[in-house]
Order: sequence, then C-alpha cells, then structure tokens
Amino acid sequence: DIQMTQSPSSMSASLGDRVTITCQASQDIGNDLIWFQQKPGKSPRRVIYYATNLANGVPSRFSGSRSGSDYSLTIISLESEDVADYHCLQYKQYPLTFGSGTKLEIK
Amino acid sequence: EVQLVESGGGLIQPGRSLTLSCAASGFTFSNYYMAWVRQAPTKGLEWVASITHRSTTTYFRDSVRGRFTISRDKANSTLYLQMDSLRSEDTATYYCVRADYYGGYSPVNWFAYWGQGTLVTVSS
Repeated sequence: DIQMTQSPSSMSASLGDRVTITCQASQDIGNDLIWFQQKPGKSPRRVIYYATNLANGVPSRFSGSRSGSDYSLTIISLESEDVADYHCLQYKQYPLTFGSGTKLEIK
Repeated sequence: EVQLVESGGGLIQPGRSLTLSCAASGFTFSNYYMAWVRQAPTKGLEWVASITHRSTTTYFRDSVRGRFTISRDKANSTLYLQMDSLRSEDTATYYCVRADYYGGYSPVNWFAYWGQGTLVTVSS
C-alpha cells in the first residue's frame, strides 16, 4: 500500500500568513494527488486536483505543488474562512490512501 | 447540479448488517466510477470501496473485504454499500463520492463531488 505521510498534524497561523501543508508519498504516484478542505460538520471539498490544479470556485490564494515525492498545499495569505482540516489523497493505486490530516487554526 | 444523497445510517449492534444507499442526480450515473469514504469520529478520512461504471470491478480496503459489498443500480442511479458482520471500528460517517469518468483518465473528475454523509454507529 502507498503511505501518505502528512505534516503537520496541526498548526496555527496568523491572518495573512503563508501556510504550507505537506504530504509525502511512499511510492511514485505521479501527480495523482488531491487536496481536500473539510470544515467542521461538513463534507470534504476538493481544492486542488492532479497535484497542482485549482478546483472550480476555489480562491486563487490556494495552490498545489510537487517536488519529487513531496506534495504541498499552500495558502499564500491566510483568511479566517480557511480554518479547516486539510487532507491529501493519492488515487494512483488501490487501496486509495489519505494522509492523516492537518488541522489549521488561526493564532 | 450534481447531488449525492446518502441514507440508511443509524445505530446497529455488532455483528449485524446494514445497507447504505446513495441517490445520485444531476449527471449520467452510469458513466462514472463511484466510491465510499468513511470518517470515524474526530479521525481522518478513510477510503472504503470503489466500483467501476458497469460494476465489472470492485475494490475494497483490507479491513472490510469479505464483509462489505459495493453495488449500483443504473435504473435508479443509486449506489449501495452492504455492510455485514459490523464491528465497533466501523463506526463512522460514510460518504458517497463520485470518482472517475469511465471514458479515459480524467483527473478533473476524480473525487469532485461528495454527499453529505450518513452516520453509522456500531454499538451494543
């Protein structure tokens, strides 16, 4: 199985800060990675697909990048509405595997 | 508008069976692979099972293989998850997810739409 190691597990940042969350894949997944945002009591919402593509309706302050087996979700200027849990998912190979999640809070 | 509406969750005793349903609308159901993803209380997301557009192939995580069955009904645009021999560790909110388009690899389609989830609590 492909392991997705997500970090940090939680973080707090100030409004306007640049925030980066990372997932490391244990095997080659190419760009078959999705980032989700999940607000309390809500279903996950896709924010980045195919590692670097912004999903429909997602603010341009979100971006995705890849460096080898490391995948990053960056928010260039944190806003209060970005408080949420963030999850990565690899769909290169079954079983599909998620990262363990990152809880993002405002400092 | 794409809609996925799950139902069938509830409180169930260990060892019993439960079937979840997901009513799909707003897209051609038979053109898409579908999946179930679950989330235990205060935990992360966990993929459970997937099914191809014509039901020819199904995939399961190891912990549910042999106990869960995923199926779909084209006529009613409905996805199912039959869960047998339920365990306390199956307690979670179960989400129905539209996975991939059948007509070739299309990253834009993967996991773009989720239902609101249905809570399954396995407890005596």
